[in-house]
Amino acid sequence: SAVISQKPSRDICQRGTSLTIQCQVDSQVTMMFWYRQQPGQSLTLIATANQGSEATYESGFVIDKFPISRPNLTFSTLTVSNMSPEDSSIYLCSGDLIGEQFFGPGTRLTVL
Amino acid sequence: GESVGLHLPTLSVQEGDNSIINCAYSNSASDYFIWYKQESGKGPQFIIDIRSNMDKRQGQRVTVLLNKTVKHLSLQIAATQPGDSAVYFCAEMGSGGSNYKLTFGKGTLLTVNP
Repeated sequence: SAVISQKPSRDICQRGTSLTIQCQVDSQVTMMFWYRQQPGQSLTLIATANQGSEATYESGFVIDKFPISRPNLTFSTLTVSNMSPEDSSIYLCSGDLIGEQFFGPGTRLTVL
Repeated sequence: GESVGLHLPTLSVQEGDNSIINCAYSNSASDYFIWYKQESGKGPQFIIDIRSNMDKRQGQRVTVLLNKTVKHLSLQIAATQPGDSAVYFCAEMGSGGSNYKLTFGKGTLLTVNP
C-alpha cells in the first residue's frame, strides 16, 4: 500500500489570493491525480499530474487556474489561483500503485 | 456521456444486519469497478474491486456483484458494524491503454445504529 500526506490539511484564504497544496507519497507511484470534492458530494477529477511534463486537465479545469507540478515520482503540488468563494472545497490527491489508487486525507479550503 | 450514479443517497441499518449499497453505471465500455469507503475528514479508502469479466467477488465481510446486462453494481456488507458508518462511493475506470482515470458515483451515506 501507499501512504499519502497533504499539506496544509485546511486553510482559510482571501479571494484573489493563491494557495499551493502539497502531496507526498511514501512510495514511487506511476500516476498521481488531483480531485475536488464539494462537501457532501462526490469526487471530480481535476487533472492527472505527469512527472516531468505538463499535467493533463479534465474538461472544465485549466492550467492557469490550477497549475500542477510533479517533479518526481513521490511528490506533486496543486495551486488554486486567484481564488473565489466558489473554489471552497476539499482537494484530494491520489497515487496509483500497481493498479490501486490511494488517496490523501484532503485539504479543506475555504475562500472568503 | 459517461456517468456513474447511485440509487440510494442514504441507508440506515441496525448493527448486525446486512447492508446493500447499489450503483448504476452508464459506460458499457468500463472494465474495472471499485468501491471506496470515506469516513468524515478522510480520503476515500479502497474496499474491494471487480473486473468486467467477473460477476462476483468476495472479501472480508464484503461482496461486490456486477451485472453487466443492466449495468449495475452492488456492495454487500455482512454483519454491519458501527465502524462501517461512512459514505460509500462506487467508481468506474475506462477501458484500454493506460487510462487510470476514475469516475466516481454520487455516494451513499451508510449509518449503522447500535
